Amino acid sequence: EVRLLESGGGLVQPGGSLRLSCAASGFTFNNYDMIWVRQAPGKGLEWVSGISGSGGSTYYADSVKGRFAISRDNSKKMLDLLMNNLRAEDTAVYFCAKVSSNYGTDYWGQGTLVTVSS
Amino acid sequence: DIQMTQSPSSLSASVGDRVTITCRASQDISNYLAWFQQKPGKAPKSLIYAASSLQSGVPSKFSGSGSGTDFTLTISSLQPEDFATYYCQQYSTYPLTFGGGTKVEIK
Repeated sequence: EVRLLESGGGLVQPGGSLRLSCAASGFTFNNYDMIWVRQAPGKGLEWVSGISGSGGSTYYADSVKGRFAISRDNSKKMLDLLMNNLRAEDTAVYFCAKVSSNYGTDYWGQGTLVTVSS
Repeated sequence: DIQMTQSPSSLSASVGDRVTITCRASQDISNYLAWFQQKPGKAPKSLIYAASSLQSGVPSKFSGSGSGTDFTLTISSLQPEDFATYYCQQYSTYPLTFGGGTKVEIK
């Protein structure tokens, strides 16, 4: 059974940093791209960042480029998102998800809430 | 970046109705199109991939069609558990992009 479990969310002041993690199980982790998607309160889904299975390629939305860094540890089946210089508009539930070239974005974690406020 | 335009943004329908949601891509994405269902406070659930293929366990009342730039999601007979928000997403190329969502409400 595929499982994705996010952690690391919380309350942080503007300008602060936070690291989100996503623990994966139930599939061959290094075979798949992984992504982070966020959802601000009452809003739609916004893709944030993605990383290839090897970790050699990374991708970012313009809204987070230069502030966020995605990484993965295939030996531990862990996906991370380091978020720096956080802004109020980064407040959202952050989901990690598995991406398959054959099946699209097929599995999602339950999400972790990040609140940026003073 | 590929823009995904979803319509309508909301609709009201009755139990048993047939519902169709459309999604248009700003450029050709072949069939790299997925549909998701999201209920309040929950993670999105994958319904359809490759524009028309059902994810495992998804009931056949859901169907998808289209290729290139124009796509549709159809729910053949709306049931109480289908009232939710639906999103399309292109996974042809990064950045992956979502449609704005369609909220399906009870009439």
